[in-house]
Amino acid sequence: SQQGEEDPQALSIQEGENATMNCSYKTSINNLQWYRQNSGRGLVHLILIRSNEREKHSGRLRVTLDTSKKSSSLLITASRAADTASYFCATVVRMDSSYKLIFGSGTRLLVRP
Amino acid sequence: DTGVSQDPRHKITKRGQNVTFRCDPISEHNRLYWYRQTLGQGPEFLTYFQNEAQLEKSRLLSDRFSAERPKGSFSTLEIQRTEQGDSAMYLCASSLIGQGKKDEQFFGPGTRLTVL
Repeated sequence: SQQGEEDPQALSIQEGENATMNCSYKTSINNLQWYRQNSGRGLVHLILIRSNEREKHSGRLRVTLDTSKKSSSLLITASRAADTASYFCATVVRMDSSYKLIFGSGTRLLVRP
Repeated sequence: DTGVSQDPRHKITKRGQNVTFRCDPISEHNRLYWYRQTLGQGPEFLTYFQNEAQLEKSRLLSDRFSAERPKGSFSTLEIQRTEQGDSAMYLCASSLIGQGKKDEQFFGPGTRLTVL
C-alpha cells in the first residue's frame, strides 16, 4: 500500500496563480521528497526536505513539513503552462544500506494559459 | 533526460506471452531500482540491486516476475505468462552510493506495458 495521500487529486488554475498541493503520510520519515511527472514520462526530482526542517525553497517552489501532523505541502508560485504535470510526494523507507521511495497517489495539476 | 534509459518505451502483448524490459542506468551508478506505476497512481517499489546483487524484493513481485543485473550494469525485468493486471508503466531508477554521495534516485522514462 502507498504511504502518502495527496490532496487535491486534481487542480486546475490560471497561469500566474499559485498552486498548493498537500501530502499526508503514515509513518516516521527521514526525509520527504517531491517529484514531477509529465504525461506518460519518468519522474523528475524537485526538492527534498529533511525531517528536522520545516520549510525549504527552490526557485518558485516552497515546501513545508509538519512532522507532528505527518503532512507536507508543495507551493508553486506564479504558475506557468509548463508546470502542467502530476506531482507526487515520496517518503523514504530504509532497507538495509539503501532506501526505497514510497509514493503518494499524486496531484494532477493543469495550468491554463 | 536523466541519463537513465529504458527499452522498449512501449510494449503491447497478448495475455500469456512473456515480455522482457531493459534498463540502462547512469554508468557509474551502483544501485538500480524497479518500480511499477498503474494509471492514476504513484509508482510502487518492486526490487533493487546493489551492483549485481538483488537485495530486496517487494511482495508485489510475484513468481512470474524476475529481474537480473548480470554484470552490475544494465538490468532486465522479465514477466512470464503476462496477465491483464500486469498492464502498467515500469520505471527504472539508479543511484550512486558512496562517501559523500547523496544516493538520489534518477528515473528513466519508463516502459509502458499493455496486456491485451
